[in-house]
Parts: sequence; structure tokens; C-alpha cells
Amino acid sequence: GQNIDQPTEMTATEGAIVQINCTYQTSGFNGLFWYQQHAGEAPTFLSYNVLDGLEEKGRFSSFLSRSKGYSYLLLKELQMKDSASYLCAGNAGNMLTFGGGTRLMVKP
Amino acid sequence: GAVVSQHPSRVICKSGTSVKIECRSLDFQATTMFWYRQFPKQSLMLMATSNEGSKATYEQGVEKDKFLINHASLTLSTLTVTSAHPEDSSFYICSAVGGDGYTFGSGTRLTVV
Repeated sequence: GQNIDQPTEMTATEGAIVQINCTYQTSGFNGLFWYQQHAGEAPTFLSYNVLDGLEEKGRFSSFLSRSKGYSYLLLKELQMKDSASYLCAGNAGNMLTFGGGTRLMVKP
Repeated sequence: GAVVSQHPSRVICKSGTSVKIECRSLDFQATTMFWYRQFPKQSLMLMATSNEGSKATYEQGVEKDKFLINHASLTLSTLTVTSAHPEDSSFYICSAVGGDGYTFGSGTRLTVV
């Protein structure tokens, strides 16, 4: 089975840095995805971590520790448009299991 | 990159009627497509896995006779919500393996009145 946990809501200030954590317990784990989803829209791909460590892509970075069953998404230089839900999803076989999503509100 | 086209984007139907949602992979072949449902302020919940040329695999608690899935070709999967009720009102999203891993359709907002 799969169990994926992430905080429900977070608030941060424009220009700041925010870290969204995700813990998982997944059998047959291959890797972990992060998606961004604005209200009423489909998720858009942010990152996919297979190996331990930090992967940086512009203002967004994602970290994975397979031994700890832990990942985080780091958003730097926050912009108002970053207000959205961020979904972590565990990949096992060819299936994705989503966490509950973290609603991030960026304030001026 | 890989694109999945989903139609319609919005649909309002009367209670008791059926609604068909289509997902097409435009520039790649999708042997497997996934159908998700998302209620307001909740995450995506997998409903079923659609396999080309075979029966879909439904998640526990999803009624296969109510949510009919057809995956007749490598580029098209359809989800039909039969005898829709107001509690079926939700955001339905398909995805297929392609591009950066999983490519999502744009979603269908179903409102049953």
C-alpha cells in the first residue's frame, strides 16, 4: 500500500523561501513527483526524484531521502503567482499515488 | 512535448443522465491511462487504470458499472459517468505515461443538477 503525507496549508511572504515537506510509505517505490496545481486546472509537472539528493531547477528545488521516506520541495524568491496547491506523488510500478496536497498562500 | 487532450472541459447535466469524457494522447501512444477524481480542496484520487484492449482496473470503492471506461485505441480512453447524481459532481482528470513521466489532461468539471 501507499501512504503519503504533507501539510494541508502553508503561508509565506513574497520574496521569501518556503519548504514543503512530504513523507511517504510506499511499497515498490520508484521515485517521487512534485506537481503544482492552480484551482480548477490540471496539475503541472515540477520535478521527479529517483535518487537521493537535491535537484535544482530554477527557483524550485526538490530533495529526496529514500532511506527516510522523505522529500521536500523548496521554493525560492516567492512570487504571488506561486500561490497554488503543491502535490507530492509516489510512483510505484506505473501508478501514482497523490498526497493530500499543500495549499500555499503567498502574501505581499 | 507530450500532450493529452481532454474534452469537454466543463459539462452540466441533469441527474439521471450519462456523460462521456474523452482523453486523447496527441503525439504519443498511451497503452495505459489513469482516471482521477478531485473534490474541492482535496487531492487527486485514482479511480481506475485504463489499459488498451483490455478491461479497466478499478480502485476499491469505485463502481465499475457506474463509471464505464473504454480504451479502444492507443490514443483514446473514455470515461462515461452513467446515471449521474449530484454527488458525482467533481473534477475528473486523466493522465497517461509520456513526456516527463505522467502527462495530465486539462480536466473536466462535471456539475450534476
